[in-house]
Amino acid sequence: QKEVEQDPGPLSVPEGAIVSLNCTYSNSAFQYFMWYRQYSRKGPELLMYTYSSGNKEDGRFTAQVDKSSKYISLFIRDSQPSDSATYLCAMRPNDYKLSFGAGTTVTVRA
Amino acid sequence: DAGVIQSPRHEVTEMGQEVTLRCKPISGHNSLFWYRQTMMRGLELLIYFNNNVPIDDSGMPEDRFSAKMPNASFSTLKIQPSEPRDSAVYFCASSLAGEPQHFGDGTRLSIL
Repeated sequence: QKEVEQDPGPLSVPEGAIVSLNCTYSNSAFQYFMWYRQYSRKGPELLMYTYSSGNKEDGRFTAQVDKSSKYISLFIRDSQPSDSATYLCAMRPNDYKLSFGAGTTVTVRA
Repeated sequence: DAGVIQSPRHEVTEMGQEVTLRCKPISGHNSLFWYRQTMMRGLELLIYFNNNVPIDDSGMPEDRFSAKMPNASFSTLKIQPSEPRDSAVYFCASSLAGEPQHFGDGTRLSIL
């Protein structure tokens, strides 16, 4: 079993819809949680960064962490075609070693 | 702000040739990472440097792979000899210790 599980999708939604992405994990030592966005032929770009449990909002993006359930989510409100990308969850304990999900490919249809 | 800069962006070479990938981290960052991304295995950490010193190279696949960081603004990943199974996208990332990693746009490597 992988340390971080993420449904690869693909996920297709109409413009303006809410996109809901999630990851589950098995390592209870994970403390820091991130979401990266990766456009085709580009590097992962940091979207959200949270420590421990709780919610964080940044514009149209909301990240949630539930450490008791070992479950993290990313919500994208009012989705736009420019949000079409692969979204990777990533997490680490209190050191440098990031564990990544497989990535979910999202297409927002105009 | 200049991000992480990698070169070349694309490399196509024949099996057995030496390949050198280059990375310039974000100025002021003291941690540098090399990753490999494939469809089958996703993103895998190859090696981690802190203050120019290799700390963890357990992800380096075999002796054909080597990495150096001669100074705070430059790192190389070398494959010699290259094999078709090395074909992948190689990313460099940098960070301040404890902060999130920032990635370059990668080198797409094809070994024929």
